[in-house]
Amino acid sequence: QLQLQESGSGLVKSSQTLSLTCAVSGGSISSGGSSWNWIRQPPGKGLEWIGSIYESGNTYYNPSLKSRVAISVDRSKNQFSLKLSSVTAADTAVYYCARDYTDWGQGTLVTVSS
Amino acid sequence: EIVLTQSPATLSLSPGERATLSCRASQSVSNYLAWYQQKPGQAPRLLIYDASNRATGIPARFSGSGSGTDFTLTITSLEPEDFAVYYCQQRSNWPMCSFGQGTKLEIK
Repeated sequence: QLQLQESGSGLVKSSQTLSLTCAVSGGSISSGGSSWNWIRQPPGKGLEWIGSIYESGNTYYNPSLKSRVAISVDRSKNQFSLKLSSVTAADTAVYYCARDYTDWGQGTLVTVSS
Repeated sequence: EIVLTQSPATLSLSPGERATLSCRASQSVSNYLAWYQQKPGQAPRLLIYDASNRATGIPARFSGSGSGTDFTLTITSLEPEDFAVYYCQQRSNWPMCSFGQGTKLEIK
């Protein structure tokens, strides 16, 4: 069974860069046709799609975040990563990684402090 | 940008009752509409994809319908474990997507 696990800094200072990694186990990140996605959820609020990366390496980002987001994949480690630059308090959220929106990590809370 | 509006914001029902949740899109999304269930402290769980297809392992009491701009998630005979927040998601402008703001299904 595929499992995803987010990791990274839980506390980031305002204006700095948020960095998270999603480790994939029980399957290969290079398996054909899958999308690898980042989604976030501010405390008490709804879900927001951040972006996706495909096996081809193509990336797609939420237009509202596009100037600050980068998603990459490390096939040797079977993981993919998220970087979000110039963070503010509005970026405080639980960040989820997911494959094809069917398999999700448990989520990790990232708090942006001033 | 395609905006999804879910209604009602909160639905109060009793176990055994039927729940009907609505999701309306600001423009046609064809049948590229999914539904998720989220319980406190947990990740969302895919229930329905392509408007009416149940995901693997989802009980038959969950069903989805609709196309274009109006969609419905129906839960027949609510079980105690069904009380949660439900989100719809559109993928018509793949690979981008967007979510509705959610409907909280609470015990009456």
